[in-house]
Order: sequence, then C-alpha cells, then structure tokens
Amino acid sequence: QVQLQESGPGLVKPSETLSLTCTVSGGSISSYYWSWIRQPAGKGLEWIGRIYTSGSTNYNPSLKSRVTMSVDTSKNQFSLKLSSVTAADTAVYYCARDRWFGEILEYYFDYWGQGTLVTVSS
Amino acid sequence: SSELTQDPAVSVALGQTVRITCQGDSLRSYYASWYQQKPGQAPVLVIYGKNNRPSGIPDRFSGSSSGNTASLTITGAQAEDEADYYCNSRDSSGNHVFGGGTKLTVL
Repeated sequence: QVQLQESGPGLVKPSETLSLTCTVSGGSISSYYWSWIRQPAGKGLEWIGRIYTSGSTNYNPSLKSRVTMSVDTSKNQFSLKLSSVTAADTAVYYCARDRWFGEILEYYFDYWGQGTLVTVSS
Repeated sequence: SSELTQDPAVSVALGQTVRITCQGDSLRSYYASWYQQKPGQAPVLVIYGKNNRPSGIPDRFSGSSSGNTASLTITGAQAEDEADYYCNSRDSSGNHVFGGGTKLTVL
C-alpha cells in the first residue's frame, strides 16, 4: 500500500519561501507523476503543480512564477518550494500520486498524504 | 474555459439517489475524477475514468458523462456519504483543474 507523508515547517513568515517534502513509502517513486495540492481553511482544492520522476514539471499558471518542484528518487521524495508567500498561501498542503493517462483520457490522484497545515504569519 | 463548476450544496434523503454534477468545456474531451472529503481528512478518490471505482469504494458510487457535464451518482445514499465532493479533470494546457466542491447532506 503506497503511503505519502508531507513534512516541513508549519509556520512561514511573509515574503519568505515555503518548503515542503513528501516522502513516499510502500512503493517506488519512479515512473510516476507526483502532485502538490492545497486547500485554504473552509475552501476548495487548488492544484499547485506536478513533477515526473525525470524532473519534468507542470505548474498551475496562477502560481507558476513562485513554484519550484524537485524530486529525489534515491530518497523516494519530492519537494515543493513556494516563494514570496503571503497570508493567502496559508492552507493545508497535500501531496498526491498523479495518474496521467493521456491515451485513454484519464487523469486522477489515487494516493494522498494526510496533509500539513502551513500558516503564513509574522 | 478551464473552469469546472459544481453546485455548492446538495441534499438527499437517507437511502435515496443523488446526482452531483460538474460542468466545464474540458469535460467534452477528458474524463473527470471524483473525490470525497470528510472534515479534517484528506480527499479520497471514488470515481475515475469512464466509470471506475478504486478498490474499497462501494458500488453505490458511479460516474457518467454527457457533453460538458460529468456526474457522480450515489444510489442509496448512506449517512457516511455525507461529505464534500470535488470533481477534477485537465485543461487543454495539460494542467489539472478542480471544481469548487459540493457539500452533500444526507437527511
């Protein structure tokens, strides 16, 4: 059973960089897409971006200028950096395995982490 | 448009059938996936592709699609189905997009 666990600081100061890591266990990180998704309190889900284990990325256009994702296959981990954060970036951040099957038009997230709350405040 | 639109709230009587819909131009080309989220928990995939259920998801959950609308149907809703439901698909640029979510109340 694949399991994902987010880790990182729960409090980040405005204008600084939010950094989170997702550790994958119970399976290999290789040959899959992996996504970050966030959810402000009481609001809906927002896709942040996706990384393949080759390192190729796709980012939400609304966040693209501030987002960097990376992957470390040796540690079975992938990471998110979001720069110049403001209070609007306060949210629960989830990592998820991203199944992207363009040839059969299926796109979904089958495994999710439990989520980690990141608060942006001075 | 890359947006997906859901009704904010839907209610259903216990044991009855409810349909939750998701509208968007991208759904004319791509399948939606559906997620159930209960308070304080991570979302759980309930339907993906044409009408596929992951292991462990009850068969009262089903999916369908017509034109620009994808639907999640719960046949014989149970009290434990009360949750927020989100649709997801992709846009023409290869990005994921979520609907705004539907809060399902089981009466």
